Amino acid sequence: EVQLLESGGGLVQPGGSLRLSCAASGFTFSSSAMSWVRQTPGKGLEWVSAMSGRGDATYYADSVKGRFTISRDPSNNTLSLQMSSLRAEDTAVYYCAKHRDYSNTYFDHWGQGALVAVSS
Amino acid sequence: EIVLTQSPGNLLLSPGERATLSCRASQSVTNRYLAWYQQKPGQAPRLIMYGASSRAPGIPDRFSGSGSGTDFTLTINRLEPEDFAMYYCQHYGSLPQTYGQGTKVEIK
Repeated sequence: EVQLLESGGGLVQPGGSLRLSCAASGFTFSSSAMSWVRQTPGKGLEWVSAMSGRGDATYYADSVKGRFTISRDPSNNTLSLQMSSLRAEDTAVYYCAKHRDYSNTYFDHWGQGALVAVSS
Repeated sequence: EIVLTQSPGNLLLSPGERATLSCRASQSVTNRYLAWYQQKPGQAPRLIMYGASSRAPGIPDRFSGSGSGTDFTLTINRLEPEDFAMYYCQHYGSLPQTYGQGTKVEIK
């Protein structure tokens, strides 16, 4: 059974940093591209960042480019999102999502989400 | 970037009725790379349909998808109580992936 378990969410001040992690199990980690997707009541669902299965390619939404860094550790099947220079508009529930395969395709599994609140 | 517009925003129906959800794209969606997700309060989205008309594993056949180009439809026949939820369409295949704003299917 595929499982994706996010951790690391919390309250952070504007300009601060936070690191999200996603522990993956139940599938061959290197065979699937992975993404982070966030959701707010106002803007709905927004794709944030993606990483190829082999970890040799990364992609970012313009809204987070230069501030967020996606990475994966195949030794412990973990996907991470390092977020810096956080802004109020980054406040959202962040989901880790597994692509159907190595390519930029739809998500067949999602984590339960981690809440990130950026506020002073 | 492809902008997806879903309609209606809310759908008020009774169990047993049919729900018809629309998703319109600002430009043609290549290879019908259009997915639908269901989301219930407090839960993550769940894949319902991919490739515009292929049901995800475990999704009952009362769910069907159709469309191509810029116009797509998700139909839910004979609504069951567990079908009342939010539904989102998603364009994939190129980045950035984008989502519609959602259609809420509510019990009348």
